[in-house]
Amino acid sequence: GEDVEQSLFLSVREGDSSVINCTYTDSSSTYLYWYKQEPGAGLQLLTYIFSNMDMKQDQRLTVLLNKKDKHLSLRIADTQTGDSAIYFCAENTGTASKLTFGTGTRLQVTL
Amino acid sequence: KAGVTQTPRYLIKTRGQQVTLSCSPISGHRSVSWYQQTPGQGLQFLFEYFSETQRNKGNFPGRFSGRQFSNSRSEMNVSTLELGDSALYLCASSLGDYTVETQYFGPGTRLLVL
Repeated sequence: GEDVEQSLFLSVREGDSSVINCTYTDSSSTYLYWYKQEPGAGLQLLTYIFSNMDMKQDQRLTVLLNKKDKHLSLRIADTQTGDSAIYFCAENTGTASKLTFGTGTRLQVTL
Repeated sequence: KAGVTQTPRYLIKTRGQQVTLSCSPISGHRSVSWYQQTPGQGLQFLFEYFSETQRNKGNFPGRFSGRQFSNSRSEMNVSTLELGDSALYLCASSLGDYTVETQYFGPGTRLLVL
């Protein structure tokens, strides 16, 4: 089955690191993604990781994948107020252009 | 490159009516997928079109349909609207060739059914 879970809320202070976690259940997922959604807006692709990778770094973003535990995380270094948004992890199973999204984590950045 | 565009951005309809939403993909992208986002159900996949053919379908009733034109633009239609159809409808485009299936989303159409 396909079921992607995330914690609902995370609050961090500006300048700290944020870690958003995601658990997925479909072991055949080929790619895993992180999207950001700001209020009233669509989804912005932040980064993605191929399932045979353990880690991917892209500027302030670090994605870690533990395929054995089906656990995905997104670390945002030096979190800024502009990072306040809802973050969704998503998976697809490679042969289908269908994304299954997590429930979303609302990140609040405080001063 | 221009991003994914969706029209209209906002729409108000009444129960029983039908609605058509439009999506123009990124130039060169041949796949268009549609998603429904509601507070209760989150983001759910509706269907995907590639080369004017529906390639994948989610678990939505037949009232939800779509089509794709030869220029890859896509429309989705919802007939006999229900209150529960109030949602943000997002479309996403991708190359569709199953290399890196990176989907880029439009800003969405917010539909309110009264």
